[in-house]
Amino acid sequence: ETGVTQTPRHLVMGMTNKKSLKCEQHLGHNAMYWYKQSAKKPLELMFVYNFKEQTENNSVPSRFSPECPNSSHLFLHLHTLQPEDSALYLCASSQQAGGGTDTQYFGPGTRLTVL
Amino acid sequence: GESVGLHLPTLSVQEGDNSIINCAYSNSASDYFIWYKQESGKGPQFIIDIRSNMDKRQGQRVTVLLNKTVKHLSLQIAATQPGDSAVYFCAEIFGNEKLTFGTGTRLTIIP
Repeated sequence: ETGVTQTPRHLVMGMTNKKSLKCEQHLGHNAMYWYKQSAKKPLELMFVYNFKEQTENNSVPSRFSPECPNSSHLFLHLHTLQPEDSALYLCASSQQAGGGTDTQYFGPGTRLTVL
Repeated sequence: GESVGLHLPTLSVQEGDNSIINCAYSNSASDYFIWYKQESGKGPQFIIDIRSNMDKRQGQRVTVLLNKTVKHLSLQIAATQPGDSAVYFCAEIFGNEKLTFGTGTRLTIIP
């Protein structure tokens, strides 16, 4: 295991629902990331948190709202999503963001389906 | 077997043979590269990395080669096993910028 856990592993939601994805890292890292992985596309970086501060929002729609209460936990709050938001959402952590050769370690992802 | 990375997204190799997965990266100034393996239903898993001041790095059954002249990275897997079946991604980084991932190559091991 990578030391990064995500819950739930699978989520089906309607467009009017509100749900949250949770990520927890047990590696003592200071940076956490949200990625979106769609079929046949490269991983898309969504958000970066470094020492609990958001350092990057990669033009993500406001229906995705991240929260990082501490360096070990990261949430992604979802509301009024669209069917095209269906994807695998991956969380990752690293020692610190912008560390050059800093390797990111990924969780297993949440498979999200929006109906 | 050999792939050309982004232009050939699948690669099938006989079990026991060696695999070569290729990746063409975009930024000639990138100074750090990582190979990830993603099995079905799992997140990407770190395999091996290499810095731009190196041409070759070896791990357990895996070797990464870096050719900066043509901006080419390859992952060699020796004596492939069924557990090697996965999608393999290369990623590059320049300075303190974020990681940039390729679309990946799906490796299938034929028994």
